[in-house]
Amino acid sequence: KAGVTQTPRYLIKTRGQQVTLSCSPISGHRSVSWYQQTPGQGLQFLFEYFSETQRNKGNFPGRFSGRQFSNSRSEMNVSTLELGDSALYLCASSDGLARGDYGYTFGSGTRLTVV
Amino acid sequence: AQSVTQLDSQVPVFEEAPVELRCNYSSSVSVYLFWYVQYPNQGLQLLLKYLSGSTLVESINGFEAEFNKSQTSFHLRKPSVHISDTAEYFCAVSPINTGGFKTIFGAGTRLFVKA
Repeated sequence: KAGVTQTPRYLIKTRGQQVTLSCSPISGHRSVSWYQQTPGQGLQFLFEYFSETQRNKGNFPGRFSGRQFSNSRSEMNVSTLELGDSALYLCASSDGLARGDYGYTFGSGTRLTVV
Repeated sequence: AQSVTQLDSQVPVFEEAPVELRCNYSSSVSVYLFWYVQYPNQGLQLLLKYLSGSTLVESINGFEAEFNKSQTSFHLRKPSVHISDTAEYFCAVSPINTGGFKTIFGAGTRLFVKA
């Protein structure tokens, strides 16, 4: 069973640019959550998608957005990049069902550096 | 709202010594509890989880955690650590049946095992 695949692994962008990150969850999983990990703030929840709908959202500005496709693959987009957006962005896959165990399988992350 | 407090940011310990990583949480609703481990340059891996039933849960590599509802704690322990246990450990909670998944993570405890 393939794991959670995040692409690309590394990105360097310039302030003001936009970036799109991709996540393919485990086959059969319909929930994809995104987290931002930084040394100072730890893991911060961005949003969760289930069956192409955003179910939960964290406290990030509107520059951070996401979507999910019918095959459960998800993308997140950050527009007008700021230096503070430099972080490891982690995608987490789950079956997304209330009768499930809520446990995540994480991807290896995309390390974004904004210069 | 939920919050998770990991009381130690770093824990140095000698190989074969016991270790306890402390975690307290706050929540107005029932939660599931998790410990995740993150090795350098990797995503997080689920170590163990408490969903219901016995308050003592174990992982396959010798870690255990005990859910204490009255103290709202979920401390992680191992009786004898190995060099390979050096990693960052995250305690996390997920509110149950509130619509979607939204796992809240603690700030992490860096376990450093010395020879």
